Amino acid sequence: GAGVSQSPRYKVTKRGQDVTLRCDPISSHATLYWYQQALGQGPEFLTYFNYEAQPDKSGLPSDRFSAERPEGSISTLTIQRTEQRDSAMYRCASSLAGVGETQYFGPGTRLLVL
Amino acid sequence: SQQGEEDPQALSIQEGENATMNCSYKTSINNLQWYRQNSGRGLVHLILIRSNEREKHSGRLRVTLDTSKKSSSLLITASRAADTASYFCATDAYGSARQLTFGSGTQLTVLP
Repeated sequence: GAGVSQSPRYKVTKRGQDVTLRCDPISSHATLYWYQQALGQGPEFLTYFNYEAQPDKSGLPSDRFSAERPEGSISTLTIQRTEQRDSAMYRCASSLAGVGETQYFGPGTRLLVL
Repeated sequence: SQQGEEDPQALSIQEGENATMNCSYKTSINNLQWYRQNSGRGLVHLILIRSNEREKHSGRLRVTLDTSKKSSSLLITASRAADTASYFCATDAYGSARQLTFGSGTQLTVLP
């Protein structure tokens, strides 16, 4: 596609529910990243994919967080048993490949856990 | 954790003036990037400067990088009201697994 897209744009859920966020990267991009952004802060790295491989999960805050990219294009981020502290903007980015490439960000999903 | 620190945290200027924002970081880097975030919108990439570059220009933007001081500055010349946004620096740390590490941002307000 022309840019990175994410859905839904807004998600309100109750504590304890599972949520799944979706990212559709730029079609030619091999690498896909997930970030979490708290209000008033810069994004913080969660995980990334190189095609379907997930070399780095070091930023995932707990085992309730998981991500997939089974066919090397669209990715999902799932948060199980959501907690209020999970409320944040979740941003997806993609880049062509390789270290040092520009990362292009999607509009984000604003998650609110009540 | 945030590697970069932007300075100042907030900046308010009149339209037509220049705006300068600074960023400091902690580890050796491959490159440093500046992003803009408008209220309610996504992060827009502005400019990338590699570790072996000292200065780069793009339109009204000028970025400098001093790797010996682990610092960068972003200058926006002849500012416009539409430049009102949060500006973040992000580093691609040397030897990292490619993720960007962002600072906490500078909120720029350009008054008409």
